Amino acid sequence: GAVVSQHPSWVICKSGTSVKIECRSLDFQATTMFWYRQFPKQSLMLMATSNEGSKATYEQGVEKDKFLINHASLTLSTLTVTSAHPEDSSFYICSARPRDSPSGGYTFGSGTRLTVV
Amino acid sequence: DAKTTQPTSMDCAEGRAANLPCNHSTISGNEYVYWYRQIHSQGPQYIIHGLKNNETNEMASLIITEDRKSSTLILPHATLRDTAVYYCIVKAFGSSASKIIFGSGTRLSIRP
Repeated sequence: GAVVSQHPSWVICKSGTSVKIECRSLDFQATTMFWYRQFPKQSLMLMATSNEGSKATYEQGVEKDKFLINHASLTLSTLTVTSAHPEDSSFYICSARPRDSPSGGYTFGSGTRLTVV
Repeated sequence: DAKTTQPTSMDCAEGRAANLPCNHSTISGNEYVYWYRQIHSQGPQYIIHGLKNNETNEMASLIITEDRKSSTLILPHATLRDTAVYYCIVKAFGSSASKIIFGSGTRLSIRP
């Protein structure tokens, strides 16, 4: 089945530094990937839609200059949290769906837990 | 995409069937009912989907009412590993560029 790999699974960084999270579709091409953020005991919140070869589409209230998204190939999207602060500490999850998916179901990465100290 | 309503939490005894309801009274004719679950500190996992017929796979069964305004996900023999948050999502099949918006889901606890 379709597999989405996320790296790293967890990261701790100092306040003010930038962190890059990778999302790879391992056995399919993904022209579109999605980035979510999840705070403890809350549901997933869609941050942005990553489009291969073009600019990402951000949801309302998400700062595009803070959360930089690059989708340079059909199998890789990256999310960079720039100048991270403790309030950016969260669980970040990416998702994609093969174009020919028989179920229409989406595959999610295992998530990246970011802690900013 | 149509809005869904799910109970905030439920519990079920291990080995028994877990029945998770979902209301989607404004569902459109071309929208499917999808179920995902999220085990703690993991990414969501696709479970099952259906349009109007009941569906079954190795994980679960999905029962959709005739008027399609509600559905029930059934885990036939719940185990402790089924403890998770279950999300019911109504969505047209659409393209792979079509996004998913998650609601609050149902937190299912399986007791020994």
